[in-house]
Amino acid sequence: DAKTTQPNSMESNEEEPVHLPCNHSTISGTDYIHWYRQLPSQGPEYVIHGLTSNVNNRMASLAIAEDRKSSTLILHRATLRDAAVYYCMMTTDSWGKLQFGAGTQVVVTP
Amino acid sequence: DTGVSQNPRHKITKRGQNVTFRCDPISEHNRLYWYRQTLGQGPEFLTYFQNEAQLEKSRLLSDRFSAERPKGSFSTLEIQRTEQGDSAMYLCASSSSSGGSNTEAFFGQGTRLTVV
Repeated sequence: DAKTTQPNSMESNEEEPVHLPCNHSTISGTDYIHWYRQLPSQGPEYVIHGLTSNVNNRMASLAIAEDRKSSTLILHRATLRDAAVYYCMMTTDSWGKLQFGAGTQVVVTP
Repeated sequence: DTGVSQNPRHKITKRGQNVTFRCDPISEHNRLYWYRQTLGQGPEFLTYFQNEAQLEKSRLLSDRFSAERPKGSFSTLEIQRTEQGDSAMYLCASSSSSGGSNTEAFFGQGTRLTVV
């Protein structure tokens, strides 16, 4: 199974940026990098995904290393509502099965 | 709200009983996934449908588990002879196949099963 490596937890102060790293050294050329987050007692929520180029949306930015073996999710200004578990995954097949790891618990302090 | 809907939200059952959960995906989505999540862990893939065809089943899905999507719309997940180890959150997600893996999945709120 395709594996990613993330830190167990990260802390940030409110309104400061958060950089969440992810290693995916086994990534192949057609694998997309996906990020989801899960708030307490909720189902996972899509955040962002990309293939090679950096991506931006209203929630976050995704910076993908040139060799694609790592990526960083950037929350530009953390709010208390961003406190969640963030999952980094690769989709390694054509029908988008997501293989969740343990994720990174983000703690935002006021 | 036309997101993914799961029912019931909570289910408490006695060991040995059968339970069935329902998932209503986003209407235009032809892909549907089931995941299971235990406390402190990330969701684990159980099975996947494209339209009415069940295309993959995880080894986690023992013979006591069965999933159906008879008309390619809603899906049901049944657990027979429940065991305490089945206690978990069961999550359903849907997506469109048009983007391959270049697409996002939408998750429901989950059904929390407690087997006593």
